[in-house]
Amino acid sequence: GQNIDQPTEMTATEGAIVQINCTYQTSGFNGLFWYQQHAGEAPTFLSYNVLDGLEEKGRFSSFLSRSKGYSYLLLKELQMKDSASYLCAVRDSNYQLIWGAGTKLIIKP
Amino acid sequence: ETGVTQTPRHLVMGMTNKKSLKCEQHLGHNAMYWYKQSAKKPLELMFVYNFKEQTENNSVPSRFSPECPNSSHLFLHLHTLQPEDSALYLCASSQDREGQETQYFGPGTRLLVL
Repeated sequence: GQNIDQPTEMTATEGAIVQINCTYQTSGFNGLFWYQQHAGEAPTFLSYNVLDGLEEKGRFSSFLSRSKGYSYLLLKELQMKDSASYLCAVRDSNYQLIWGAGTKLIIKP
Repeated sequence: ETGVTQTPRHLVMGMTNKKSLKCEQHLGHNAMYWYKQSAKKPLELMFVYNFKEQTENNSVPSRFSPECPNSSHLFLHLHTLQPEDSALYLCASSQDREGQETQYFGPGTRLLVL
């Protein structure tokens, strides 16, 4: 079966750096997405990786290793507004998105 | 504001009621999706429409009935639901079913079935 694993919950301190990991086992690979979802709100697109390596976008970076079935989302200079759930999703060979259950990130002052 | 709106935002219904969820996208996209989101579970894809044609139905019970009258509007008709159907129902759209397919989500309808 297809599976996406990410930690259920993480806690970090304002101003620090946090890395949220995502491992996947899917039928084929056509890209990996990270979304942010604040409580009671819509998931919003953060990043897309299809080739190995690091994609940087401001305070957020996303890394992919296809050979290891692994990605991470790196958040720098954490702010209180970064408290949210972070969803990892992989598009398989049928172009279907397979979703992880999300990582709830709690930022403490 | 992602350009995808959903109404109502909250809905409480009994198991014998009939209700409909509405989704509208203002992004000029051709693909629209219904997802179910339950606490601490992955998003579950329910239905996909591409250019108004239903292309996927992921073994969803018949008490959920989608309708896509045009590329901008998507409905989910609900009848004789069960308490386990209580969840957040998210609508999303993307340019089309293939390609990079970044999906843009609406805020969801929080459904409670009593």
